[in-house]
Amino acid sequence: GESVGLHLPTLSVQEGDNSIINCAYSNSASDYFIWYKQESGKGPQFIIDIRSNMDKRQGQRVTVLLNKTVKHLSLQIAATQPGDSAVYFCAEDLYNFNKFYFGSGTKLNVKP
Amino acid sequence: NAGVTQTPKFRVLKTGQSMTLLCAQDMNHEYMYWYRQDPGMGLRLIHYSVGEGTTAKGEVPDGYNVSRLKKQNFLLGLESAAPSQTSVYFCASSLIGGNTGELFFGEGSRLTVL
Repeated sequence: GESVGLHLPTLSVQEGDNSIINCAYSNSASDYFIWYKQESGKGPQFIIDIRSNMDKRQGQRVTVLLNKTVKHLSLQIAATQPGDSAVYFCAEDLYNFNKFYFGSGTKLNVKP
Repeated sequence: NAGVTQTPKFRVLKTGQSMTLLCAQDMNHEYMYWYRQDPGMGLRLIHYSVGEGTTAKGEVPDGYNVSRLKKQNFLLGLESAAPSQTSVYFCASSLIGGNTGELFFGEGSRLTVL
């Protein structure tokens, strides 16, 4: 979920296990959401998106779930690999303006 | 295809100095953005542009100015740098507005203000 202050929440998983990363978004009017992955020293990269008229969307090894009732997103990564180690951000687009607001991120640490 | 290119990648300034960060994209994208990222935090939107000649304020615009004179370039200026502006700055672009998908990010520019 969201973090406060300088310390990112960290999720440690064993290689091959499934990972679930959570995000609470702020505005019930947001209608488009994206998950980004940021590796150390790099800019964020798009993983998967979902619109507010959907509850679930699947990609390659990733699934995003949206619960509008509690304003919650989750990113599920199947068979987590060492290359998945990164910081993951959710971003919400308020009112369809393509102006994204980012959460503070979760660090995923994959242990071999 | 270079994508989104930021220059410079690193810069150290003294308090009160000015500088400009340049962002260039070669994807013919309409929208461009400047974000800052502080340790342990997500990205915060400084300014953005929905097309050549237009700019708008984001979440944290104070102390920054921007210009979009050419579609492919988006400049971020600091007129009088302050230590609070020490951060990593990311430029991004997207094709058009309105639920069209991803932002393409540059590699970041690390700025330290002493």
